[in-house]
Amino acid sequence: AQSVSQHNHHVILSEAASLELGCNYSYGGTVNLFWYVQYPGQHLQLLLKYFSGDPLVKGIKGFEAEFIKSKFSFNLRKPSVQWSDTAEYFCAVRLGENGNKLVFGAGTILRVKS
Amino acid sequence: NAGVMQNPRHLVRRRGQEARLRCSPMKGHSHVYWYRQLPEEGLKFMVYLQKENIIDESGMPKERFSAEFPKEGPSILRIQQVVRGDSAAYFCASSPQRGDYGYTFGSGTRLTVV
Repeated sequence: AQSVSQHNHHVILSEAASLELGCNYSYGGTVNLFWYVQYPGQHLQLLLKYFSGDPLVKGIKGFEAEFIKSKFSFNLRKPSVQWSDTAEYFCAVRLGENGNKLVFGAGTILRVKS
Repeated sequence: NAGVMQNPRHLVRRRGQEARLRCSPMKGHSHVYWYRQLPEEGLKFMVYLQKENIIDESGMPKERFSAEFPKEGPSILRIQQVVRGDSAAYFCASSPQRGDYGYTFGSGTRLTVV
């Protein structure tokens, strides 16, 4: 069955530290890839997405992600985190070009210490 | 332009009661998706609906759960005879067409069964 793995469930960083959250998926066909963020008490918001083209994708709030097809990975990065980045981050995969559902990872809770 | 509206935000039900969760998609969106988030887990797809049609219900439990998206009004996720294991956050998302570029999520309904 298709699955999405996020390697760390909890990450604690100090402000200005660099962030990398891992995401791997298991599916051999065409995929669309997403990172969502959920701030405390709020709904999921789209950070960035990859459909095709340049595998380095830039999203909102200084986040970026790199699609490495050979590693089935789509890791999220930010060079310097802020306290306001404290949130839960979800990687998601949509299968096939017109897939109608997303498969989510279990999420990574990021806490940034000020 | 209002986003995806879900209500209620919080719902408490006793075991054996019925829970009705409502989702109004964004204006112009005719595709609705329901996801469930159990504690410590990522979102799990439940059902995908278009107006008056269930397109994919592969993630719906076989019993007690049903969903509809009538021609007029919001989409409804109905859980009959709730049990403690139904306690979760239920998220609705909408898109203007099938397989579109990412969803817009609502803020979710947190169901607690006591």
